[in-house]
Amino acid sequence: SYVLTQPPSVSVAPGQTARITCGGNNIGSLSVHWYQQRPGQAPVLVVYDDSARPSGIPERFSGSNSGNTATLTIGRVEAGDEADYYCQVWDTGSDHYVFGTGTEVTVL
Amino acid sequence: EVQLVESGGGLVQPGGSLRLSCAASGFSFSSYSMNWVRQAPGKGLEWLASISTRSNYIYYADSMKGRFTVSRDNAKNSLFLQLNSLRAEDTAVYFCARERDDFRDFDYWGQGTLVTVSS
Repeated sequence: SYVLTQPPSVSVAPGQTARITCGGNNIGSLSVHWYQQRPGQAPVLVVYDDSARPSGIPERFSGSNSGNTATLTIGRVEAGDEADYYCQVWDTGSDHYVFGTGTEVTVL
Repeated sequence: EVQLVESGGGLVQPGGSLRLSCAASGFSFSSYSMNWVRQAPGKGLEWLASISTRSNYIYYADSMKGRFTVSRDNAKNSLFLQLNSLRAEDTAVYFCARERDDFRDFDYWGQGTLVTVSS
């Protein structure tokens, strides 16, 4: 089955840029989506189709995808960005949805 | 306003069964595929099942096949997940999520319902 690998944690100072990677075999050929999950809450879609933002999501959230790595970038990080972030794809080979292992973002 | 509200969770003994429900409102339920995703305590998100608008396409995570059954009632704007032969490792918060077919993403989620499997 398809595997998506994320770093367990990323730490960033307020105002700086956080980059969260999502590794998968030839992930650049897939459409990648990103979710933010604050403690005790449901996930929220923050980036879809590699780099598009849903309505209401700040421009500080952006995404890219190429080769074997997709990346979620959070610019000008704020305390409220502290959360777990998950990447997700649809694996056409197995007709399964797959989530990444998740990354905890800590704002120092 | 799109709303998804799960119910039916609770404490169940190992080997027992439970039926989860997800009540949808604020959108045309019959026009969207729907999914179940779960999250064990302190763990990541795990996709469980997907059901198409008319229930003609149903997909399950390999580890769920045979124990879990997803269904829907478009007339009642409701999604269901039947959980059988429950094990301690099925303890989790179960979320329902609306799928966008064009992007294969989940644009709206419910708040989840907790299932605890313990004797």
